[in-house]
Amino acid sequence: DSGVTQTPKHLITATGQRVTLRCSPRSGDLSVYWYQQSLDQGLQFLIQYYNGEERAKGNILERFSAQQFPDLHSELNLSSLELGDSALYFCASSVTGGYNEQFFGPGTRLTVL
Amino acid sequence: AQSVTQPDIHITVSEGASLELRCNYSYGATPYLFWYVQSPGQGLQLLLKYFSGDTLVQGIKGFEAEFKRSQSSFNLRKPSVHWSDAAEYFCAVGAGAAGNKLTFGGGTRVLVKP
Repeated sequence: DSGVTQTPKHLITATGQRVTLRCSPRSGDLSVYWYQQSLDQGLQFLIQYYNGEERAKGNILERFSAQQFPDLHSELNLSSLELGDSALYFCASSVTGGYNEQFFGPGTRLTVL
Repeated sequence: AQSVTQPDIHITVSEGASLELRCNYSYGATPYLFWYVQSPGQGLQLLLKYFSGDTLVQGIKGFEAEFKRSQSSFNLRKPSVHWSDAAEYFCAVGAGAAGNKLTFGGGTRVLVKP
């Protein structure tokens, strides 16, 4: 158990819908990262937040957005969902935002029908 | 832009035999390198990391990796594989201004024969 929690574990929804994935970092970690794992794209970095502010952005679609709240939990919002958004979404956390080990949560499996 | 290549998609190894997983990276600056393992239905667990110093790094579960700058490689090894080592293994390079983005290779799935 990494100490990073993600809810829900599974999510099934329809195209065009909007969903919110939630992540709670390890106690004391200030930085949260979101990754997408899909069969065709592999593991891709989406976005990072550090202490409530966006720190780095990767291959995140405009239909996706994220935020980190004052209690440091983070939410990833996915809207206008397409079949191709079906994937495993991981959250990771680290103590700071720099060169640190990232601890990964168990992931949320999103299925878009 | 940084990239990571894991040439072997699948590897099958007998229990008790040695294992070596290959990883090649492309990155313009000093790389920060990681190996993660993903068991079925699980998240990613860090096996080991290289930031600087000794190029042979020891990790958890009996794994080690060697950083070779001249070959842009960071291969993972284990002298004797256990059935519980069956999993998918990912090599990653830390990039970005503060090394905060991880770029992952495509992964190597390891099957262990009894």
